[in-house]
Amino acid sequence: SQQGEEDPQALSIQEGENATMNCSYKTSINNLQWYRQNSGRGLVHLILIRSNEREKHSGRLRVTLDTSKKSSSLLITASRAADTASYFCATDGAGGTSYGKLTFGQGTILTVHP
Amino acid sequence: NAGVTQTPKFRVLKTGQSMTLLCAQDMNHEYMYWYRQDPGMGLRLIHYSVGEGTTAKGEVPDGYNVSRLKKQNFLLGLESAAPSQTSVYFCASSYGQFSPYEQYFGPGTRLTVT
Repeated sequence: SQQGEEDPQALSIQEGENATMNCSYKTSINNLQWYRQNSGRGLVHLILIRSNEREKHSGRLRVTLDTSKKSSSLLITASRAADTASYFCATDGAGGTSYGKLTFGQGTILTVHP
Repeated sequence: NAGVTQTPKFRVLKTGQSMTLLCAQDMNHEYMYWYRQDPGMGLRLIHYSVGEGTTAKGEVPDGYNVSRLKKQNFLLGLESAAPSQTSVYFCASSYGQFSPYEQYFGPGTRLTVT
């Protein structure tokens, strides 16, 4: 079963605008990660936020985590055409040793128009 | 460093045929994972390994077998391919010794079973 549900399924914006993607999950987590996938390629890790963190930044990326609502958001500021990709949230479940097993959401397809 | 590599990149099989997908990593990672990705969905974990000589089942293990005879290699086998196994297969690895577990992905193998 899919742990993460992402919203929206698709997002289309103009270059320079901000893009916000949301992820909800069902069970307790150790951490939540965001990955990017360009068409036909493998996934690339973007950012990781631990369960005891509320916000994290990396360049133009800002991730928030609300464990009480079991939700996270990824904000990409000043988007570029090169940001066009699918974005996935993935959760590393809490409770014992997870061995880093990740449960992925179905992804948000982001299209940035020049 | 090559990172995570997968062979082959593409393969077409007839129902009932067998094949092995090879994943290799040169980062000395302990943990390795096999996922499948179907259209419009996130990744689902097939099998994983936490070290040389160890393997464990993931979310969707039926119809697949794996082996980790060497630390750097993780093999995924299909003994009798079925059309339902048409998918894109991704291998990933992570350090494994310390939490959290960022994963590094290979470029994928696109498999079609007719």
